[in-house]
Formats: sequence, C-alpha cells, structure tokens
Amino acid sequence: ILNVEQSPQSLHVQEGDSTNFTCSFPSSNFYALHWYRWETAKSPEALFVMTLNGDEKKKGRISATLNTKEGYSYLYIKGSQPEDSATYLCAFLAAGNKLTFGGGTRVLVKP
Amino acid sequence: DAGITQSPRHKVTETGTPVTLRCHQTENHRYMYWYRQDPGHGLRLIHYSYGVKDTDKGEVSDGYSVSRSKTEDFLLTLESATSSQTSVYFCAISQGVDNEKLFFGSGTQLSVL
Repeated sequence: ILNVEQSPQSLHVQEGDSTNFTCSFPSSNFYALHWYRWETAKSPEALFVMTLNGDEKKKGRISATLNTKEGYSYLYIKGSQPEDSATYLCAFLAAGNKLTFGGGTRVLVKP
Repeated sequence: DAGITQSPRHKVTETGTPVTLRCHQTENHRYMYWYRQDPGHGLRLIHYSYGVKDTDKGEVSDGYSVSRSKTEDFLLTLESATSSQTSVYFCAISQGVDNEKLFFGSGTQLSVL
C-alpha cells in the first residue's frame, strides 16, 4: 500500500485570500499525479493530471505544481471564492499500479 | 457529465445478507473501478476491471466480488454484508490507465445494520 498524505486535513480561508496545500507521495516509481475537486453531495471531478517533474497546470484560479524528485505537489487557489469550498483529493499513480488517493484537504471559504 | 449511473443510490440491509451494487456507463470506457469512501481514509480501491470478464483486486477487496459481463456494466457484490462494509461506494471509469483521469458516478450509500 502506497503512502499518499495530504496536509492540512482542513483549512478555513477568507473570501478573496489565496491558499495552498500539499500532497506528498513516494518519490520512486512515479508515473502520474492527479488532483480532484469534490464538492459536498457531488462526485469527485478531475482538475489535473500531471506527469512531468516541474509540471505546472492551471484552471481558472486554481493551479498545481509537481516535484517528483522530492515527492510532493502543491495546489494553489488564488482569490478564494465560496464556490471553491470543497474537498481536494490528490491521487498518486506508480508504474504498474492503480491510483492511490490521499485523505483529502477540506477547504471552507468564508464570505 | 460522463454517463455513469449507479444503482441503488441508497440501501439499508442486514448483516449476513448478499448485496449487489450496479454501475452502468454509456461512454464505452475500457476501465471501470469500485471505490469505497470512509472518513479518514479517502477513496480506497476495492476492485477494478480492464475489460469484459477481466477484473483484478484493489487494496480492500476482502468480502467483495465483482463481475463484468458487458462493457457497460460493472457489478459489485457483497457476499455476506457486515457492518464494516457500511460506506459510500463510488464507481469510476477511465478510457485508459495511463495518465487518464477518472470520471465518477454519484455514489451509493450503503448501511449494514
């Protein structure tokens, strides 16, 4: 079982502020790193699939970076809005394996 | 939205009874997955399928079996439900396994009393 850790488990952000959080994964045998957004009462939806060290992805006000050599990825939310409130999941794919999900970071944006 | 339908959406059953959950897709994706979601554990893979009649175990497969007789349907069976199997179950699909994102169904809330 691969160890994929997300921190913090939860965070509160004031509307308009920016925030970021971390996904840590094994630095060996890397194949891909996924990010998903999971809103309450809905299904997880894919944000990014990242495969290359140094990769940076952006979707609107959300962006992600990837460091495969040290085994971490950051997700950034710029100018947080209430609709950004969700649980953000990362998932690590090692070569020859299936996706292993982290426990998620729950983000609550306060108006 | 990807065409994934899970049924039932909610189910309450008793310990020791068999339960089958169904996942139906209209996307013709090759890969299908069953996950369970529990507090503090995120999503954990139960079983997956890489084609008709081709399935394999995930990290929490004990007590579960699956079948895939058609591309569009992936069934998850709890042979004899236990209270530890009370969970939310998600089906997911993907076109491939390499660098392909997952599309999730709406989930099935299962309570085993």
